[in-house]
Amino acid sequence: AQSVAQPEDQVNVAEGNPLTVKCTYSVSGNPYLFWYVQYPNRGLQFLLKYITGDNLVKGSYGFEAEFNKSQTSFHLKKPSALVSDSALYFCAPFYNQGGKLIFGQGTELSVKP
Amino acid sequence: NAGVTQTPKFRILKIGQSMTLQCTQDMNHNYMYWYRQDPGMGLKLIYYSVGAGITDKGEVPNGYNVSRSTTEDFPLRLELAAPSQTSVYFCASSSGQGVGYTFGSGTRLTVV
Repeated sequence: AQSVAQPEDQVNVAEGNPLTVKCTYSVSGNPYLFWYVQYPNRGLQFLLKYITGDNLVKGSYGFEAEFNKSQTSFHLKKPSALVSDSALYFCAPFYNQGGKLIFGQGTELSVKP
Repeated sequence: NAGVTQTPKFRILKIGQSMTLQCTQDMNHNYMYWYRQDPGMGLKLIYYSVGAGITDKGEVPNGYNVSRSTTEDFPLRLELAAPSQTSVYFCASSSGQGVGYTFGSGTRLTVV
């Protein structure tokens, strides 16, 4: 079955510290993997995606994500968090069978000064 | 460049009323989607379309209908509104499979 899991409902980080938002996906073919961010009262915005190639993908706003095929994970990372990074983050694999993005339940990131 | 435009932004409906959520995109995207977002539940796909004249059900289609008469427009119809349809609704479009989606800013619907 095609599925995605974000095991943490909330992640709290101090400004300037590194952050990680976790995502694991079910193995069903080789999905493309996306991260989206949602700021309060806004639609979702694309951050980055992995299709193939280098396991470390760089995206918008200084974010990057590491693809790990053996662990079926695609964790979102940033070396130094900003208060303005506080938002809701969604992991979303795309499976060719089905042809649609499947969204995780989201992780609320809170960065405190 | 407008992207994906949703109207209205907010709406309060009474139980049993009907309404249409409008979605239009100006990027000539073939693929369009309707999602609903409930707290702690992520986004659930309601309906999607791979081109004008073609629509298909997603995970939670009950209580909704869609049409796709043009490439630009993908309205979502709610018939006989129920409190369970209180949610935030997002429309999205993409140029192809495996390509990132562009989202609208959402419609916050309350059914009382």
